[in-house]
Parts: sequence; C-alpha cells; structure tokens
Amino acid sequence: GDSVTQMEGPVTLSEEAFLTINCTYTATGYPSLFWYVQYPGEGLQLLLKATKADDKGSNKGFEATYRKETTSFHLEKGSVQVSDSAVYFCALSDFNNDMRFGAGTRLTVKP
Amino acid sequence: NAGVTQTPKFQVLKTGQSMTLQCAQDMNHNSMYWYRQDPGMGLRLIYYSASEGTTDKGEVPNGYNVSRLNKREFSLRLESAAPSQTSVYFCASRAGTGVNSPLHFGNGTRLTVT
Repeated sequence: GDSVTQMEGPVTLSEEAFLTINCTYTATGYPSLFWYVQYPGEGLQLLLKATKADDKGSNKGFEATYRKETTSFHLEKGSVQVSDSAVYFCALSDFNNDMRFGAGTRLTVKP
Repeated sequence: NAGVTQTPKFQVLKTGQSMTLQCAQDMNHNSMYWYRQDPGMGLRLIYYSASEGTTDKGEVPNGYNVSRLNKREFSLRLESAAPSQTSVYFCASRAGTGVNSPLHFGNGTRLTVT
C-alpha cells in the first residue's frame, strides 16, 4: 500500500541555518503530496502542497519539489528562524480518499 | 472562524470505561476523518466519512465506532477503553474527496487510559 518515509529527528539547527527534511513515498497511482506543520498543543496545519510531477510547493520561505523519478518531496528552507520550531509531517493523498502521513520530524531552532 | 472544533481537550479513563469524542466543522466540508497520533508513528486513520450518511474503516478501526450525525458533526466512540488507546486523537475535514484537497485539523483530544 501507499506509504511515506521521512527522515528521523530530532533536528536541531541554529537560527539562519539551511534546513532540509527528506521525504520519500511509495504509491501505486499519481498522488498529491503535502507538508504539514504542527506547533505544540495544536493540530496539523497545511504548509504546502504539490499535485503533479515537477510541481514546486512553497509557503513562508519553505519549498518542496515533487520528484517522480526519485519518489521524493524534500522540504527546504534557506534560513530558519526560532519560530519555525515545530514538528513537520510529509503526507500523500491517493485515489482511495485517505491521506498517509510520515512519522514526523521535530525541528528545534536555537537562537 | 472556528474551523474544526474537538471536545474534550483532555480526558482520563479507566480501563473498560466508555466515552465519545466530539467533532464539528463549520466549513461545509463533505469529508471528515478521525486519526490517532502516537510517538514515532505519525498519524494513523481510524475511520472516515466521505459524505453525510457514510462511514468507512481506516487503518486502525478496532475498538472504535463512529457516527456521522449530520454534515457538520462526526463523533468517535470508545465502547470499552484499553490502555493501548492512550493517544492524541485528531478530527479533520476536507472539502471533497479529490486527492488535491488538504485536510483541516482540530486541536486534538489527549486521552489517557489507565
């Protein structure tokens, strides 16, 4: 079945460092791909999405490109801030009305 | 602008007790979902409802029942709670069944079963 694998955390960075969180997927169809962010005590919020191969999703300085050839959707940000500290989830949505999530990666940004 | 509202926020149960988690959305979404979140396992789908009057099992339905009361409300019931059901429960809704639509989440219910 469909699945998502993302890099294990936790990830700790200094402010203004470059961020990459790796995400790869397995799917039988042509899924849409998503990144969600979860702040402490809250539910998940959509960060960005891409719906077809080579699409780039972007929001708040974060970017991810849908790479069909490598089945990947890595999250990047050029300069992280303390306020970016959160848990990040990669997810895919395929034809069966489900959304499958990765295990989540906790990011801590230190001043 | 409430979005998805879950009640209660916290609950402690003893093994064997029952309870119902409530969820309501005000976005006129067709689809609603219940997930559980456990450390290191991401979110796993318990049940979902593609439209009013329909419900379907997800990845981990055992020990749970659901009711889609109307378009706005989707409740999750634990008939006889077990310690393995200690988790954070999230309700979510989605505008349609298309793969492009994102989920909108509530803030979760933290359940502890002793």
